[in-house]
Amino acid sequence: ETGVTQSPTHLIKTRGQQVTLRCSSQSGHNTVSWYQQALGQGPQFIFQYYREEENGRGNFPPRFSGLQFPNYSSELNVNALELDDSALYLCASSLDLGPRETQYFGPGTRLLVL
Amino acid sequence: QKEVEQNSGPLSVPEGAIASLNCTYSDRGSQSFFWYRQYSGKSPELIMSIYSNGDKEDGRFTAQLNKASQYVSLLIRDSQPSDSATYLCAVPLNSGYALNFGKGTSLLVTP
Repeated sequence: ETGVTQSPTHLIKTRGQQVTLRCSSQSGHNTVSWYQQALGQGPQFIFQYYREEENGRGNFPPRFSGLQFPNYSSELNVNALELDDSALYLCASSLDLGPRETQYFGPGTRLLVL
Repeated sequence: QKEVEQNSGPLSVPEGAIASLNCTYSDRGSQSFFWYRQYSGKSPELIMSIYSNGDKEDGRFTAQLNKASQYVSLLIRDSQPSDSATYLCAVPLNSGYALNFGKGTSLLVTP
């Protein structure tokens, strides 16, 4: 157990809808990163938050957005869902920023877009 | 786009053998390297991290790093069926240090 939780565990949506996924980091962890993992692929970096500010973004369109809250929780919002958004969404928290910081992953939310 | 490359496998080894998993990366400035294990339907869990050239051992696992060749590997000694999983190599991005993952190598340890 990493102490990182995510909700919901599974979700089914239809194309064009909006979805909000939630993550609760380990207490004291200032950094949270979100990843998308399609079947048979490695996780792809979506964006990162550090102390409630966006600190970096991968190659994902603006319809992917997020927030980090003072209570170490965060959320990923996806608007105008597309079929290709079907994937496992992972959040990972770390104590701070740095190349040697260990990222601890939550169990993920599996999203299916029909 | 900085690349992290792994053979997708599957890599099949008999129980008790040594499994060797390889990873190459394109960014010469990379400082840290991580190996994660991911069981089917589960999230990645950290096995090893390595920062300096050479070998780092932890139980049955050894990570090897060669920065000149931009190559990092993971050896699993005395492989067990419970080691059957996908092994992900990850390198921090320059900005913010979020992880850039390879596609992963599927390992199957047969009894």
